[in-house]
Amino acid sequence: DAKTTQPNSMESNEEEPVHLPCNHSTISGTDYIHWYRQLPSQGPEYVIHGLTSNVNNRMASLAIAEDRKSSTLILHRATLRDAAVYYCILRDDTQGGSEKLVFGKGTKLTVNP
Amino acid sequence: DSGVTQTPKHLITATGQRVTLRCSPRSGDLSVYWYQQSLDQGLQFLIQYYNGEERAKGNILERFSAQQFPDLHSELNLSSLELGDSALYFCASSDTGAILPPLHFGNGTRLTVT
Repeated sequence: DAKTTQPNSMESNEEEPVHLPCNHSTISGTDYIHWYRQLPSQGPEYVIHGLTSNVNNRMASLAIAEDRKSSTLILHRATLRDAAVYYCILRDDTQGGSEKLVFGKGTKLTVNP
Repeated sequence: DSGVTQTPKHLITATGQRVTLRCSPRSGDLSVYWYQQSLDQGLQFLIQYYNGEERAKGNILERFSAQQFPDLHSELNLSSLELGDSALYFCASSDTGAILPPLHFGNGTRLTVT
């Protein structure tokens, strides 16, 4: 599985935007970029995913670099509820039948009131 | 609420014992995944079932086994338990009709081995 690199931790203030970076310099053409988050005492939760173009949904935006070697998850206005560990994961749609996720260490986001 | 139900929420048992963790996937989801999360190892993929058949295997110990039943619920059996098996065990499900569908996780079973 292709590797991603994320900062161990980040801090933000409530109601400010948050940009969570992810490096994936060995990404292949068939890798999709997925983001999940894990709130305290809960299971991981799907946030967003993309291949080449920037993506928006009700939770966040995903900005993908033109060379696809990095991406940024954008939370437009952080709330206390957004405090979680955020995981950037590459998923290959040609992996021969298994859709499993391979989690790294993620970025622990702290949101200050 | 993800729609994935795991029982029990907490389990405390002694070394050498055997336990069974249960997972009910979201309605209509054919795939079930099991993950283990410990403090030092992070989230580790154990095994995936699709419509009753094993589809992928990860870092699952020989002392552990799983199955998916015709009603699509799944059970993870852990035997000859050791202190190091203490962890959170998550089940997830997905709709494999889509390409790379999101996984929906339950809130886990916290296993403590004493």
